Amino acid sequence: EVQLVESGGGLVQPGRSMKLSCAASGFTFSNYGMAWVRQAPTKGLEWVATISYDGSSTYYRDSVKGRFTISRDNAKSTLYLQMNSLRSEDTATYYCTRYNNFDYWGQGVMVTVSS
Amino acid sequence: DIQMTQSPASLSASLEEIVTITCQASQDIGNWLAWYQQKPGKSPQLLIHSATSLADGIPSRFSGSRSGTQYSLKISRLQVEDTGIYYCLQRYSNPRTFGGGTKLELK
Repeated sequence: EVQLVESGGGLVQPGRSMKLSCAASGFTFSNYGMAWVRQAPTKGLEWVATISYDGSSTYYRDSVKGRFTISRDNAKSTLYLQMNSLRSEDTATYYCTRYNNFDYWGQGVMVTVSS
Repeated sequence: DIQMTQSPASLSASLEEIVTITCQASQDIGNWLAWYQQKPGKSPQLLIHSATSLADGIPSRFSGSRSGTQYSLKISRLQVEDTGIYYCLQRYSNPRTFGGGTKLELK
């Protein structure tokens, strides 16, 4: 059974950093591109970043470019999202998802950026 | 960026009714379109991929179609468990973009 479990969220002050993790199981992690998608409270879904199966290619939405870094450790079957210079507009539930068809999603982790 | 215009924003329908939700792409995206259902407090679930292909484990009352750059999700006989918010997603190019969502309720 495919499982994606996010961790690392919480309350953080504006301008500070936070790192999210997503532990994958039930499939060969190193064969799949992965992505982060976020959802602000009461809002719709918004793609954030994507990483290729081997980590050689990454893509970001404009609003997070230069502040967020997506990475992966295939030996640990884990996806990461390093978020720096956080802003209030980054407040959202962050989901990791398998990039193929965005076919499997984690349960999500809440990130609240507030002073 | 490709814009996905989803309609209606909300919809109220009766049990067993046929429901249709549409997404209009701002440019050609071929069949690179997926549909998701999201229930309150839960993560999205893939319903349809490649515009018309039913995802594993999804009931056959769900179907997807395409006409040019307009994509539709049809629920043939609405059930209680079908309430929630539905989103389309274009997978043709970066940035991947979602439709604004359709909130489906039972009348």
